Amino acid sequence: AQSVAQPEDQVNVAEGNPLTVKCTYSVSGNPYLFWYVQYPNRGLQFLLKYITGDNLVKGSYGFEAEFNKSQTSFHLKKPSALVSDSALYFCAVRKGGSQGNLIFGKGTKLSVKP
Amino acid sequence: DVKVTQSSRYLVKRTGEKVFLECVQDMDHENMFWYRQDPGLGLRLIYFSYDVKMKEKGDIPEGYSVSREKKERFSLILESASTNQTSMYLCASSRPFQLEQYFGPGTRLTVT
Repeated sequence: AQSVAQPEDQVNVAEGNPLTVKCTYSVSGNPYLFWYVQYPNRGLQFLLKYITGDNLVKGSYGFEAEFNKSQTSFHLKKPSALVSDSALYFCAVRKGGSQGNLIFGKGTKLSVKP
Repeated sequence: DVKVTQSSRYLVKRTGEKVFLECVQDMDHENMFWYRQDPGLGLRLIYFSYDVKMKEKGDIPEGYSVSREKKERFSLILESASTNQTSMYLCASSRPFQLEQYFGPGTRLTVT
């Protein structure tokens, strides 16, 4: 069965430091992977996706994600965190055999302190 | 920009009431989805629709129904609201096989 896991409920980072939010997945076939961000009392916003090609994917707001097939991971990264990056981050994987249904992880709360 | 709107940001209903949550998208997307979001559980798919008048059950359809009479509108119905349906409800849309979904702002429903 396809699944996605976010092993950390919360990540704390100091402003200006690099950040990593972890995601691992389990799918049959080629994975289609996504990151979304949710600011307080808002809907989810699409950040980036991996379909095929370069393992390093660049997205919105300076975020990037690294696809690692051998480790079945798709970690979200940013070289220098901002306080405004504080939000809830969701990793998702496309459900096989569907027209585009996504399976979401449980979310990781990122807190960036000044 | 894709715009997905939901009829209410906050809603308070009593146990046993029939509740309608409306979602409208303005980008002519064929696919529409309803999720509920609960702390520690992430997003769980309730129902989805790939076309007008078409609906499919997601992972947690019990206690819910949906209606899609027009392409741009997808309604979630709680036939008889219960306290365990207190949650944040999110609507999303996408094109067929377009992989990213676009989300509305959410409706925070409280059932007392």
